[in-house]
Parts: sequence; structure tokens; C-alpha cells
Amino acid sequence: KQEVTQIPAALSVPEGENLVLNCSFTDSAIYNLQWFRQDPGKGLTSLLLIQSSQREQTSGRLNASLDKSSGRSTLYIAASQPGDSATYLCAVASDQGGKLIFGQGTELSVKP
Amino acid sequence: KAGVTQTPRYLIKTRGQQVTLSCSPISGHRSVSWYQQTPGQGLQFLFEYFSETQRNKGNFPGRFSGRQFSNSRSEMNVSTLELGDSALYLCASRPTSGSTDTQYFGPGTRLTVL
Repeated sequence: KQEVTQIPAALSVPEGENLVLNCSFTDSAIYNLQWFRQDPGKGLTSLLLIQSSQREQTSGRLNASLDKSSGRSTLYIAASQPGDSATYLCAVASDQGGKLIFGQGTELSVKP
Repeated sequence: KAGVTQTPRYLIKTRGQQVTLSCSPISGHRSVSWYQQTPGQGLQFLFEYFSETQRNKGNFPGRFSGRQFSNSRSEMNVSTLELGDSALYLCASRPTSGSTDTQYFGPGTRLTVL
């Protein structure tokens, strides 16, 4: 049974700092991995999707890496800003279906 | 292009009642998935519909059901509500059922069961 874990559960950093969020999964047989952002009381916004055959994806200040063999993914945020404050969730698709297995999220607070 | 819309946004029900939530996917998207989000359990998959057929189902009791219409709009129904059904219910759409497609989430319906 696939399980997804995110560490740390919460993180507070000063503005401008580079930071790394971690995601681990127990079954390396995945189809893709997605990183989402969720603002309080809102839905999810997709940030990056990494196919199982890819090692990383980049979008602006965000870079996500995937190491299937070790069951790990990291989300790197460069030059953090207060607007980056949100909960970041990683989710794994184990097959072609729409079922995503989510981690519990990392709540990020970026202080001005 | 309009995003995924969910109605209603907020709902208050009492134990034993039933509720129907609606989700309109992004135009052209044929796959709709539903998730339940609670502080204790996080985000959990309920089911996915594609072309009016349920393709996958999560580990929820039979009180949770859904359907999809020919225009890809989807509804989920919860019967005999329990206090533990209080949650944010999110739906997500994607163009096809392929694994390469990003899922786009709606704003959710906040259900409170009293």
C-alpha cells in the first residue's frame, strides 16, 4: 500500500531564504508525482508534475526533483517571498487512474 | 478558460440527512475525481469518473456515491450523514484518463454536519 510522508510538517523562514521541502513514498512503482499548493480554506493549485521517467521539473523559482529508486522527491523554492506562505502537498499517482495519494503537507510561513 | 467550479461552497446539515455536491469540470475535461480533506486524515481519494463511468473507488463506505453526466459534470451524494463526514470536499478534473495529465482542483465544498 502506497504511503506518502512529508517532512517537516511546518516550516518558518525569513524572506529571501532558499528552502527545501521533502516528500517520501514507500512504493517506487509510480506513474507521476505532483506538488500542489493550498492556501487556507481554498482548493489546490498544481505547481509541478514529474513523470516517472523524469528526474526534475522547473517552473520559475520552483524546482522539483524525483528519485524513484530511493522513493524521494524534493521541492526547492528559491528566494522565498511572503506570498509563498501556504501548505505544500505532494501526491503520487500509482497508475493511470485519477487516484492521487497525498502526503500530510508542509505548512510554510515566510516572514517579511 | 473557466476553472473547476463546485456548488455549494458551504453546507450545514444534521446527522442522518443526505447531501448532494456538484462539480463542473474545466471545459473539455472528461475525467472528474473527488477527494475528502479532514484535519486528521488529510486528503483521501473518493472516486473518479470518466465518460460517465466510475473508474476507480477509494476506501469509503457505500454511503458515499457519485455519478457523472454526459456533459462531464459530476455529483457526489452522501447519505445518512455522520459527524465524521464534516470535511472539505474537493473535486478535480483533467482532460483524459492518462497519467500525464495534471489534475485541476476546484475551491471545494465545506460540509459541516451537526
